[in-house]
Amino acid sequence: EDKVVQSPLSLVVHEGDTVTLNCSYEVTNFRSLLWYKQEKKAPTFLFMLTSSGIEKKSGRLSSILDKKELFSILNITATQTGDSAIYLCAAAGGTSYGKLTFGQGTILTVHP
Amino acid sequence: EAQVTQNPRYLITVTGKKLTVTCSQNMNHEYMSWYRQDPGLGLRQIYYSMNVEVTDKGDVPEGYKVSRKEKRNFPLILESPSPNQTSLYFCASSLMGTDTQYFGPGTRLTVL
Repeated sequence: EDKVVQSPLSLVVHEGDTVTLNCSYEVTNFRSLLWYKQEKKAPTFLFMLTSSGIEKKSGRLSSILDKKELFSILNITATQTGDSAIYLCAAAGGTSYGKLTFGQGTILTVHP
Repeated sequence: EAQVTQNPRYLITVTGKKLTVTCSQNMNHEYMSWYRQDPGLGLRQIYYSMNVEVTDKGDVPEGYKVSRKEKRNFPLILESPSPNQTSLYFCASSLMGTDTQYFGPGTRLTVL
């Protein structure tokens, strides 16, 4: 059975702090790892990683995948209150597209 | 505007009363999925569809039905809802050959 585990489940920091969110996966025929941000509505896409060791960056957010150790991390530097959200990690695999397995999510709270 | 829409956004119903949640996308995506989101469990896939008339079970299909008669629509049917189907439901879509899914705004369902 495919499985994705995120840690920590929740995190409280102050503005300006740097955070690291973790995601480990066990997925048959793994193809890609995706990160989403969910505020009070639908998850919005952040990154998709398919190659090991290649960092993807968007502003203060960055992510990297380790296919040997089966994990990914999402880093957020200089956090802001607007970063408060649930961060979801999902793994894609199997024999067809369309099937994603999500982790439980990490609830990030950034205090002013 | 490219988007996934769901209706209704909020629904309160009673046990056993059949209901349908509609999902529509205007991006000409081949793949569509339904998820439910519960606290501490993340997003769990209910059903997904690779194209018209092609559907497959996700991780939690019991108590749900789907149909894909047109490419843009993917309704979720609860023939006899029960209280354990109280949840937040998301529809998502993606292009053939890609893993990145785009989510609708969500439907909050309460079954009394």
